[in-house]
Amino acid sequence: QVQLQESGPGLVKPSETLSLTCTVSGYSISSGYYWGWIRQPPGKGLEWIGSVYHSGNTYYNPSLKSRLTMSVDTSKNQFSLKLTSVTAADTAVYYCARPYSSNWNFDSWGQGTLVTVSS
Amino acid sequence: QSALTQPASVSGSPGQSITISCTGTSSDVGGYDYVSWYQQYPGKAPKLMIYDVRYRPSGLSYRFSGSKSGNTASLTISGLQAEDEADYYCSSYTSSSTLVFGTGTKVTVL
Repeated sequence: QVQLQESGPGLVKPSETLSLTCTVSGYSISSGYYWGWIRQPPGKGLEWIGSVYHSGNTYYNPSLKSRLTMSVDTSKNQFSLKLTSVTAADTAVYYCARPYSSNWNFDSWGQGTLVTVSS
Repeated sequence: QSALTQPASVSGSPGQSITISCTGTSSDVGGYDYVSWYQQYPGKAPKLMIYDVRYRPSGLSYRFSGSKSGNTASLTISGLQAEDEADYYCSSYTSSSTLVFGTGTKVTVL
């Protein structure tokens, strides 16, 4: 059974870099499609952040592209995101997710991790 | 990219059918059959209910069905049950090779 687990600091200072890693167990990230990151500000809707392939190819949300880097470590079965110059608007629950039938739908999600941007 | 438009709330009585709409443009919903629907309970991760407009992942209840007409996709829940009370989000692939989510709909079972 596949499991995804997000990890990283729960508190980041404004203007600093948010870094998160998703560790996948029970399934190889080298299989199939692009793996996704999605976030949800408290009390608000879902926002797609971007998706990354095991080769390192990426698709990014245009509104975040200038601040965003995604990467993959196939040896550890992990993928990661870095978001620079964060502000309070980046406060959200961050989810990683496994693609299902294409790059554009996700059937298994991590439990989510709350990242708060505050000094 | 702009979020797809969904009604803020939809309600129905047990046993009834309800439909949630998801309106986009010809550059997303109308242009591709990559519309998905997710169910989300408070404090929980979303769950894939429908993919590629009308297909259910294996093991999902037949009470959930999806369709699309023009730039609007729809999720229908038939035989509404108390456990269906949750937030629902649509998503669509876009012509910019990105993914966009809907604004979300809160379903209330009366």
